Amino acid sequence: NAGVTQTPKFQVLKTGQSMTLQCAQDMNHEYMSWYRQDPGMGLRLIHYSVGAGITDQGEVPNGYNVSRSTTEDFPLRLLSAAPSQTSVYFCASSSIHRGSGETQYFGPGTRLLVL
Amino acid sequence: GIQVEQSPPDLILQEGANSTLRCNFSDSVNNLQWFHQNPWGQLINLFYIPSGTKQNGRLSATTVATERYSLLYISSSQTTDSGVYFCAVDQGGSEKLVFGKGTKLTVNP
Repeated sequence: NAGVTQTPKFQVLKTGQSMTLQCAQDMNHEYMSWYRQDPGMGLRLIHYSVGAGITDQGEVPNGYNVSRSTTEDFPLRLLSAAPSQTSVYFCASSSIHRGSGETQYFGPGTRLLVL
Repeated sequence: GIQVEQSPPDLILQEGANSTLRCNFSDSVNNLQWFHQNPWGQLINLFYIPSGTKQNGRLSATTVATERYSLLYISSSQTTDSGVYFCAVDQGGSEKLVFGKGTKLTVNP
């Protein structure tokens, strides 16, 4: 199993550009989430999904869109990048079955710089 | 929303020393996890521990849910233990964790 994969690893954008961060998992997990990590802030939840076709907002959703058309993929879209979106982005997945440990598996991260 | 506070924010140890990291949370939770973020940025789950005690090698964790805190113990620390340790909680499932700001651990040889 590859686990959770993210592409790209690093991206530089200009203010106003759009882009999509890709996330895929091969563990058949129902839950998938996007977090951003800023210095001194820990990780904060952007959007999450409990299954294909179902998404919801987290703590910091503004400026980001998501969709979940398949169980495996959960892309994060920046519609019009702003310098405040400079951050490291992590995708995570976990199983819906309680009692199994509900371990969240994290991807390696995407480092985004918005100029 | 629920608040998660970790202490200490920074910890410097000599190799072989023991340490205790603390996580306080402001409300009851269904889910509590400890993560280690290594110096290369990778996040690894250490424990899923909403209550009770678990051990894995030199690491162990205890959560006292009624008093809303969790402790992570690291014994005989090694340089490879360096990194940031995060506590994360959820009042529902595991799809929307709330993270503390972390404890940065540096283990010197």
